[in-house]
Order: sequence, then structure tokens, then C-alpha cells
Amino acid sequence: SAVISQKPSRDICQRGTSLTIQCQVDSQVTMMFWYRQQPGQSLTLIATANQGSEATYESGFVIDKFPISRPNLTFSTLTVSNMSPEDSSIYLCSVDGNYGYTFGSGTRLTVV
Amino acid sequence: RKEVEQDPGPFNVPEGATVAFNCTYSNSASQSFFWYRQDCRKEPKLLMSVYSSGNEDGRFTAQLNRASQYISLLIRDSKLSDSATYLCAVNGADSSYKLIFGSGTRLLVRP
Repeated sequence: SAVISQKPSRDICQRGTSLTIQCQVDSQVTMMFWYRQQPGQSLTLIATANQGSEATYESGFVIDKFPISRPNLTFSTLTVSNMSPEDSSIYLCSVDGNYGYTFGSGTRLTVV
Repeated sequence: RKEVEQDPGPFNVPEGATVAFNCTYSNSASQSFFWYRQDCRKEPKLLMSVYSSGNEDGRFTAQLNRASQYISLLIRDSKLSDSATYLCAVNGADSSYKLIFGSGTRLLVRP
């Protein structure tokens, strides 16, 4: 299955700032998925990122808040913009690895 | 109704016990079903896919009941190392490519 390198693994950020999370995959994949997991909760899909087109956002998530880039078939970034404490969460990228979806190790974000 | 629902637990069982989790889904057109395991402060890892005919991997058995729209996971001879949160995942109602996760069932296996 695909191997995903995600960074940073954690960060503590001031409210009002932005953080960009990167995911690098060891093979080419058509779609990458960005999830959020709030403390004690399950995973919520933020958006699906295709190479060469704009990301598709789920209900409740907007591009201005979570801009996504997908410059090629092995890389994607998610930016959490104008952060507030409510954005404190774990953010994970995921790809379809043919035998189920594989996740990056996650980015634990704390906004203070 | 949530697209994917699980009993949050926790299930607290002794070593060697058999434990079963169920997960219901709302989209009758769903075709892909998975069980994931998530350890504390770690990312989810695929435990097993769920096939229509049911499938087994060692102590783990997964089954799909399309008529009642649920999937199940059976763990036999529980080990301490099985303690984790088990998440079911089903492909979304409007897209076969994205996975919708249940809230997870926490399992605690005690000595």
C-alpha cells in the first residue's frame, strides 16, 4: 500500500495565523483526501483533492478557510487559515491504496 | 440519521473473550466497506475490507448484511494488544471514492 509522509506532526499556533500541512505520497494517486479528527471524535472529510482541478469541499468546509493545493499526483497541501481555538484538531491526509485507504500520520494542531 | 453509526462503547472484556461490533450505514448503494483500527494518538490503520461473502483474517471475521445495512467485526480470543478504537468506514452516498467513518467503538481488553 501507499506510504504517506505528512508534516508537520504537530504545531502550536497563535489564533489568526495560518498553518500549511503537507502530504507526500510514494506513488502517484488520482485523489487525495483531507480529514479532520477533533478530540474524541471520528474522522470528518474536509475535501477531496484531484490533480489539475479545484478541490471538492464537503458541507461545512470552504475554500477560503481550508485552501488545498494539488500540484502533482504525489503531493498535496492543506492550509488552515485564520485559525481559532475551534480549529484545534488532528488533520490527516489519505489516499486510496488499492486495498483500502491509507492515512498519513496526522498533524496535531493546537491553536492558542 | 448519520450515514454511518457505531456503538461508541467502551467494550471492556477479559483476555480470551469474543467480542463483536456492529456498524450500520444509511446508503443502500454503498459498495465498499472497511474496518480500521486506531490506537491512541495514532492514525487509523486498515484492519480489513469487508466482502459480500464475509471474510476472515486470523482471529478477525468481518461480515456484511446488505438487507439490514450493517457490517460486523468479530474478534475471537481477544488479546491485550487488541485494545484500540475500531472504526467502520463506508463509501459515501454521493461518491464511491470518499469514505465516511463511524464514530468508532472503543475496546478495552483486560488481563
